[in-house]
This record gives sequence, structure tokens and C-alpha cells, in this order.
Amino acid sequence: EAGVTQFPSHSVIEKGQTVTLRCDPISGHDNLYWYRRVMGKEIKFLLHFVKESKQDESGMPNNRFLAERTGGTYSTLKVQPAELEDSGVYFCASSQNRGTGDEQYFGPGTRLTVT
Amino acid sequence: SQKIEQNSEALNIQEGKTATLTCNYTNYSPAYLQWYRQDPGRGPVFLLLIRENEKEKRKERLKVTFDTTLKQSLFHITASQPADSATYLCALDTGRRALTFGSGTRLQVQP
Repeated sequence: EAGVTQFPSHSVIEKGQTVTLRCDPISGHDNLYWYRRVMGKEIKFLLHFVKESKQDESGMPNNRFLAERTGGTYSTLKVQPAELEDSGVYFCASSQNRGTGDEQYFGPGTRLTVT
Repeated sequence: SQKIEQNSEALNIQEGKTATLTCNYTNYSPAYLQWYRQDPGRGPVFLLLIRENEKEKRKERLKVTFDTTLKQSLFHITASQPADSATYLCALDTGRRALTFGSGTRLQVQP
């Protein structure tokens, strides 16, 4: 089966611009997560969708970040306007809905560079 | 404050030996603890999950232990191979499904 895919793999934008990252989870996975790793730090949770509903968005850093998952399939994460500190690698992951404790399948990540 | 600690120093071992990686945590009550492998330029790959009421889990050459009293998990790779060289991440799940990751330990297996 196809894994989690993310697009683009790399994005370079200027401060103040807008960027939209896309994630396609594994087909049939109800749970979709966004994480990010900024330089030198550990991977941090941003938010969790169950189908099209936001289950937990406690990790979203501020209101410049907007995540959507229309129709419960793919998800987008928009950063508007981007700031220098938003640079990092954004990972998407998905899991089945068998109860808590499911392993998560990660995409390759989108490397975002804000200059 | 909540904290997950993994050895930030790289672990270098000889092929065929057992690698042991440590994950310590404070101020968490994880329901599950997971171990992931990450290669450069790639996303984390799931390896093993252990529940709070389990002491040990095995999968092929991998073994994980979980001591909720010591607040520690040990991850072992037996008969290590150069292909096992990667960064290994410990991740805690308190039951909310959002994973909290440690910073990872880089393992280098020398042929």
C-alpha cells in the first residue's frame, strides 16, 4: 500500500509570504497528525484530526497556522504570514482507528525555509 | 516540567554487539511508549510499542523494556549490523494519541 505522502518536499519562502503544505495519509486511516521539528530540537506535535474533525490542536503555535482536512482525506497546513522561526521540517503522520496506542506512519516531511 | 531524555551523545558499537539505548522521562504518566527509527532526510519509522502494564516486548532482534517505577525504557538491538545505524527516537503517548518525542540517540554500528 502507498505510504503517507507530503508535498512539497522543500519550500523556500520569504518572511511574510504564505505557504501551504499538503499531506495525503494512508488510505483508510481516520487519524491524521501534524508534527514539526525546528533546528536542533525534538519533533513536536501540532494537531490531530479524526476524519475531518480537529481532535486536538493544543500544539499549534499561534493563529498564523491553519490546518484543514476537508472530506476526511488529505490535509493542508497553511502558514500565513510566515516568520523566520517557522523554519523547520513539518511531518505528517496517519494511523488507523483501532483505539489508542496505534503506531503512527510518518511521511518524509516538508522542509520549510523562511528567509 | 515534563521532560524526555535520550542520550544526546552518539552511540558507537561494533557489528555483532548489542546496542542499548535509554529513554528516561519525568512528570509523565504514559499509557504507551513507542520507539521509532529515523534515517537522514526521512520521516520516523515505527518499530515497537509497549503498554504501561507490559514489562517487555520483543520483535526479531529488537527488545524494549518499560519500567514505570523508574520512568525508564530501554531499547536493545541484538546482533547489530551496520544497516542498524540511524537515529532512534523514544515517544510517549499519554492516551491522547499525540506523541511526545525525545531528541533521539544516533547509533553508529561499525563493521
